[in-house]
Amino acid sequence: GQNIDQPTEMTATEGAIVQINCTYQTSGFNGLFWYQQHAGEAPTFLSYNVLDGLEEKGRFSSFLSRSKGYSYLLLKELQMKDSASYLCAVTDSNYQLIWGAGTKLIIKP
Amino acid sequence: DAMVIQNPRYQVTQFGKPVTLSCSQTLNHNVMYWYQQKSSQAPKLLFHYYDKDFNNEADTPDNFQSRRPNTSFCFLDIRSPGLGDAAMYLCATSRDRQGGTDTQYFGPGTRLTVL
Repeated sequence: GQNIDQPTEMTATEGAIVQINCTYQTSGFNGLFWYQQHAGEAPTFLSYNVLDGLEEKGRFSSFLSRSKGYSYLLLKELQMKDSASYLCAVTDSNYQLIWGAGTKLIIKP
Repeated sequence: DAMVIQNPRYQVTQFGKPVTLSCSQTLNHNVMYWYQQKSSQAPKLLFHYYDKDFNNEADTPDNFQSRRPNTSFCFLDIRSPGLGDAAMYLCATSRDRQGGTDTQYFGPGTRLTVL
């Protein structure tokens, strides 16, 4: 079966750095997405990785290792507004998007 | 601004009473999706349209139907809502390919309550 694993919940302090991990087992791989979802709202696109390595976009960076079936989302200089769920999603060989359940990130002052 | 719009944002219906949720997009994207998302769970794809081509997920109940009368609009019909159908319903679009390498853009969602 296809599976995306993320921690259910993480807590971090305002101004700090946090890394949210995602591991996947899918039938093939055509890219990995990270989405941010605030409570009661729709997911919004953060990043897309298809090649190994680190993609940096402002305070957010996303890393991919295809050989390890692993990605992480790195958030720097955390702000209270970063409190949200972060969903990892992988496109498989049939171009189906497989979603993780998300990691709820709680930021404390 | 190009966007995905869902109406209504909150919908209350009674057990067994049909309900229709609507989605429109100004992005001119080929693909439109309907997802069901329950609290703290991953979005679950119900079906999607690639242009006029309808694709139903194997485990989507028959109680859920969809219509896409034109490129801009897509509707989700729940014929006989049960208590288990209470959820957030998300509409999304992508330029091409089902999920593929194209980013999906989501509407704000409709939160459905079944009494």
